[in-house]
Amino acid sequence: EDQVTQSPEALRLQEGESSSLNCSYTVSGLRGLFWYRQDPGKGPEFLFTLYSAGEEKEKERLKATLTKKESFLHITAPKPEDSATYLCAVQDLTGANNLFFGTGTRLTVIP
Amino acid sequence: NAGVTQTPKFQVLKTGQSMTLQCAQDMNHNSMYWYRQDPGMGLRLIYYSASEGTTDKGEVPNGYNVSRLNKREFSLRLESAAPSQTSVYFCASRTANSPLHFGNGTRLTVT
Repeated sequence: EDQVTQSPEALRLQEGESSSLNCSYTVSGLRGLFWYRQDPGKGPEFLFTLYSAGEEKEKERLKATLTKKESFLHITAPKPEDSATYLCAVQDLTGANNLFFGTGTRLTVIP
Repeated sequence: NAGVTQTPKFQVLKTGQSMTLQCAQDMNHNSMYWYRQDPGMGLRLIYYSASEGTTDKGEVPNGYNVSRLNKREFSLRLESAAPSQTSVYFCASRTANSPLHFGNGTRLTVT
């Protein structure tokens, strides 16, 4: 069965202090790995899709990378507005109609 | 352009009561989904509709029914609510090879 494990569960950073969030996954065959941002009381908001090992995507202070076993979301010089829960999800080659989600990393950026 | 709209935003039910959660999307997406999100657990798929006229069970379908009313609307019904169904419910939609777009959720409490 597909599994997604995110670490750490929670992370507190000072503004400007760069760090990385981890998403380890197990799938029979990867169709895609997705990163979402979720603010309190809101639905998840799409950030990136990664399809194959070695792929990287960037958006403002965020960069997502992918290996055969894990993905990292690197946050460079974060700002307080980057505070949110970041969710990782995988879609396998057989279950085209479902994404398996991790439990998320709750990021707090302190001014 | 509203995206995915869910109603109601909040609901409190007594055990045994029934209700229907409504979802509508204006992005002309073929596929629609219902997820639930519980503390310490990832988003879990309840039911999905790959296209108008079809519905299929996800990971946790027990106690729920769905109706794909037309291409825009996908409703989730709880026939006899139980405390274990206290959760936040998210509707999502997508086209083939696109990421999921989520609504802002319905927060349901069953007492």
